[in-house]
Amino acid sequence: AQKVTQAQTEISVVEKEDVTLDCVYETRDTTYYLFWYKQPPSGELVFLIRRNSFDEQNEISGRYSWNFQKSTSSFNFTITASQVVDSAVYFCALRGTTDSWGKLQFGAGTQVVVTP
Amino acid sequence: EAQVTQNPRYLITVTGKKLTVTCSQNMNHEYMSWYRQDPGLGLRQIYYSMNVEVTDKGDVPEGYKVSRKEKRNFPLILESPSPNQTSLYFCASRSGGRANTGELFFGEGSRLTVL
Repeated sequence: AQKVTQAQTEISVVEKEDVTLDCVYETRDTTYYLFWYKQPPSGELVFLIRRNSFDEQNEISGRYSWNFQKSTSSFNFTITASQVVDSAVYFCALRGTTDSWGKLQFGAGTQVVVTP
Repeated sequence: EAQVTQNPRYLITVTGKKLTVTCSQNMNHEYMSWYRQDPGLGLRQIYYSMNVEVTDKGDVPEGYKVSRKEKRNFPLILESPSPNQTSLYFCASRSGGRANTGELFFGEGSRLTVL
């Protein structure tokens, strides 16, 4: 069975602070995919990144960066110099390759609140 | 514009009154899926469909039905809604078969309240 744990329910920061969202996953698959989605207050799900299990390179996209550590089964997400527009719920998700057709297993989500 | 469209976006109904949430995608995707989102639980898969006339249960299928008569449409049916089905529902689609690793495209969500 697959599992994604986002232990932080809510994180509150002041604008310009950095914020790191933790994601720990469990899977028996040797090949799998990890995702991050953003859900702003308007409710839609916005795809942020997909990472393959065989590619442990960290990635940076603007103020966003992701740290994938296979040894600790973690895929953490950092927002640098946070802005009010970053206020949202962020979901980490896992897709295995041996069980049902590409189901995304989501974590419970982390609410990020950025105040001016 | 490539999109997944759900209707209605918001609905308040009463216990036992059958309802259908429609989902349509214009990307010719083979795979479609329904998720529900509840506080503290993230999103959980209800049903999915690999192609026309091929559907299967996800993690929380009780109380729901689906059909896939056309490639573009994947309606979610609540035959006798109950208050525990009050939730935010998302339809999603992607191309390809089981091995496809492409991202899921999500609809905008349908917020359902059952009184």
